[in-house]
Amino acid sequence: DTAVSQTPKYLVTQMGNDKSIKCEQNLGHDTMYWYKQDSKKFLKIMFSYNNKELIINETVPNRFSPKSPDKAHLNLHINSLELGDSAVYFCASSQVSRGYEQYFGPGTRLTVT
Amino acid sequence: AQKITQTQPGMFVQEKEAVTLDCTYDTSDPSYGLFWYKQPSSGEMIFLIYQGSYDQQNATEGRYSLNFQKARKSANLVISASQLGDSAMYFCAMRPAYSGAGSYQLTFGKGTKLSVIP
Repeated sequence: DTAVSQTPKYLVTQMGNDKSIKCEQNLGHDTMYWYKQDSKKFLKIMFSYNNKELIINETVPNRFSPKSPDKAHLNLHINSLELGDSAVYFCASSQVSRGYEQYFGPGTRLTVT
Repeated sequence: AQKITQTQPGMFVQEKEAVTLDCTYDTSDPSYGLFWYKQPSSGEMIFLIYQGSYDQQNATEGRYSLNFQKARKSANLVISASQLGDSAMYFCAMRPAYSGAGSYQLTFGKGTKLSVIP
């Protein structure tokens, strides 16, 4: 049983295109996150949603727009892709009442050419 | 603002030996949580161990233990009896204090690449 799933796992696209990454968790958690891991393996928070409400929006270009249709899903849409957007994007979820552990999805490797 | 520092970009350890991965942190929060994650070459993030700032005892999970020294603001990971499968990137991370907003985003260190030698 997959706890946090992401699709697609790999995404190769050209500059200027618009793409989406989907995330779903079946853990019943009420908080979901998007992290970006750059080429040097550094992980940084991008967005956080709690019960479908945006809680955190770090200094991310407004070309990135998260959408949470329900508690179990948090999608990431990226407009006008740039070379610098190439990275691995991780979705994660957590629930305070079940401890503070964050469960991560398998990651989506985005390559912009 | 929270900050995590991992000063060892890479480490080598002989199989079956113990190894300590260093992590220091900085925060003004009165309470916080500290995590270690493992990222093998396959790319997934695997949770290893958690330590709450008010926990009296150091956390342990199987071969993993967290050497928490609050006064020194350090949270080192100790892996006992290293195995070849332990070769991976290891990340130390911190979550902020409970805020009621329900979001506990993690701040990560830059990671330590551990290589286990047969």
